[in-house]
Amino acid sequence: KAGVTQTPRYLIKTRGQQVTLSCSPISGHRSVSWYQQTPGQGLQFLFEYFSETQRNKGNFPGRFSGRQFSNSRSEMNVSTLELGDSALYLCASSHRQGNTGELFFGEGSRLTVL
Amino acid sequence: GNSVTQMEGPVTLSEEAFLTINCTYTATGYPSLFWYVQYPGEGLQLLLKATKADDKGSNKGFEATYRKETTSFHLEKGSVQVSDSAVYFCALSDRENDKIIFGKGTRLHILP
Repeated sequence: KAGVTQTPRYLIKTRGQQVTLSCSPISGHRSVSWYQQTPGQGLQFLFEYFSETQRNKGNFPGRFSGRQFSNSRSEMNVSTLELGDSALYLCASSHRQGNTGELFFGEGSRLTVL
Repeated sequence: GNSVTQMEGPVTLSEEAFLTINCTYTATGYPSLFWYVQYPGEGLQLLLKATKADDKGSNKGFEATYRKETTSFHLEKGSVQVSDSAVYFCALSDRENDKIIFGKGTRLHILP
């Protein structure tokens, strides 16, 4: 079956702009998690959605937000972009509620903020 | 809080060498432990896991044993190949906060 699909794969924005990233999970998976990956900090948990509800949130400012739709697709939004937001944003899906099982990752959306 | 510490890279080895990537963890309770691998240009994928003490996870020639007494989950492979070049992440399931916590990753380079 198809894997986790993230769009766009690459994007360049300038400071102050906003960005929306999309994630389509594996069919049947209802949990979607988002991570930020940077060389210095590694993988940092942003948030998790299950059945359209945010179940868990990491330590990121309110500029980072997300949502999940009834078909389990998820979007995350970053407003008022800062240079430090440049990163690879990874989406992961699973069929289990809560992050206690195997995660299936997409290839990521690489955001560059100039 | 719960955390994962893994050896910093990059680790550079010759083909057919023995590999060890160290991973230790801090956790309350009894977490499950994972190794994920990220090949260039790709997302992470689960390599192996162990759910309780003394369990050994194995896959593709890699193995790791859940050692509760030393709070470790070191990744080993007897003979690495160039195709094993990737970034390896150790992770645990944080049941208290209901999320998976990842180490910072170890980049592995295998020379032919």
